Amino acid sequence: EVQLVESGGDLVQPGGSLRLSCAASGFIFRSHAMNWVRQAPGKGLEWLSHITAATSDTYHADSVKGRFTISRDNAKNSLYLQMNSLRDDDTAVYYCARGQHYAFDLWGQGTLVTVSS
Amino acid sequence: QSALTQPPSASGSPGQSVTISCTGTSSDVGAYNYVSWYQLHPGKAPKLIIYEVSERPSGVPDRFSGSKSGNMASLTVSGLQREDEADYSCSSYAGYFNWVFGGGTKLTVL
Repeated sequence: EVQLVESGGDLVQPGGSLRLSCAASGFIFRSHAMNWVRQAPGKGLEWLSHITAATSDTYHADSVKGRFTISRDNAKNSLYLQMNSLRDDDTAVYYCARGQHYAFDLWGQGTLVTVSS
Repeated sequence: QSALTQPPSASGSPGQSVTISCTGTSSDVGAYNYVSWYQLHPGKAPKLIIYEVSERPSGVPDRFSGSKSGNMASLTVSGLQREDEADYSCSSYAGYFNWVFGGGTKLTVL
């Protein structure tokens, strides 16, 4: 089955760190660009990070640049998001999403990150 | 980048058509034919329903159609069905491997 499964979401204090993972299956992971997208409570979707397929070049939204880092391990069919210096407004459901045709054609069900003291 | 602008809500009766707008700028929607639309049901993975303005992925009913004029894109759902009730979000490529989303529209089938 073609799917993405996120994990690693948790309750973390402001200023803390967290690493999210996304396990891919059912498709050739190394051939696809990947992304992280989040949705804060009551808000719309927000694109966060993109990593290319071939060269693993990375790009981040201004809102998380310098705090979040996207990476991938093609041998493990896995995508990661290292989140540092977390703030209250980082509280959200975090999705990994496969990139295709400049869109996001496959999504996981998300993992919840709550930043609170 | 600023979020794309969508109406917070839309509604229609079964069998009717409804159109949801998505307004951006000349740097995103107006600059690229890379507008996509997503259907969101609570607790489920978001689903791509339109890409490249008007293309439908395999398995998406042709009741869903997309278009664009200038800085505004639109999603039309024809022949509304109960299962179409969901949140809909637009997205646009904004250049330099950046993307922007809309705030989402809650579609209610009356």
